Amino acid sequence: EAGVAQSPRYKIIEKRQSVAFWCNPISGHATLYWYQQILGQGPKLLIQFQNNGVVDDSQLPKDRFSAERLKGVDSTLKIQPAKLEDSAVYLCASRLAEETQYFGPGTRLLVL
Amino acid sequence: KQEVTQIPAALSVPEGENLVLNCSFTDSAIYNLQWFRQDPGKGLTSLLLIQSSQREQTSGRLNASLDKSSGRSTLYIAASQPGDSATYLCAVVYGGATNKLIFGTGTLLAVQP
Repeated sequence: EAGVAQSPRYKIIEKRQSVAFWCNPISGHATLYWYQQILGQGPKLLIQFQNNGVVDDSQLPKDRFSAERLKGVDSTLKIQPAKLEDSAVYLCASRLAEETQYFGPGTRLLVL
Repeated sequence: KQEVTQIPAALSVPEGENLVLNCSFTDSAIYNLQWFRQDPGKGLTSLLLIQSSQREQTSGRLNASLDKSSGRSTLYIAASQPGDSATYLCAVVYGGATNKLIFGTGTLLAVQP
């Protein structure tokens, strides 16, 4: 079974630029999560989707971050404009029913 | 505020040693608790999941315990190997509906050959 796929794996941008990350969850997984992991910290949930609807986006900085999950499959997370403090690893995870979450390899973002 | 703390932040042990990683959480009304492993440049891998009604779970050389009343969990690794070197993360879920994971800051483990 293929795992959660994410791209790109690495991205370097300058502050105030825009960036987008892509996630393809495990086939059939209705729930999808985006996490932000700053160096030295544990992952923090940004947004959770159930199919193509948002379940929890309470910790998403909505003035600069946006996410969508069209057709309830792939998802994109966008940052516009980026700030230095957005430098982190962005992890995508998916879940089927009551099972555990399965994580992708992450996208490492560096904002200069 | 629901917080998860892990001690120690880093640990270095010689190969073959048994070790214990600690996790504490401020709100004892958890739904479940999970231990994850994170290797550099890779995502998280679930090691053990303990439901709130359980006291411990075992998988191979790993044993995780849960004490809800004291807000603590431990991950015991027996006969450590260099391949066990990684960051270990503890995460709790409050309320099963969203399965929202609240992570600790992790313990960086180095097993020296």
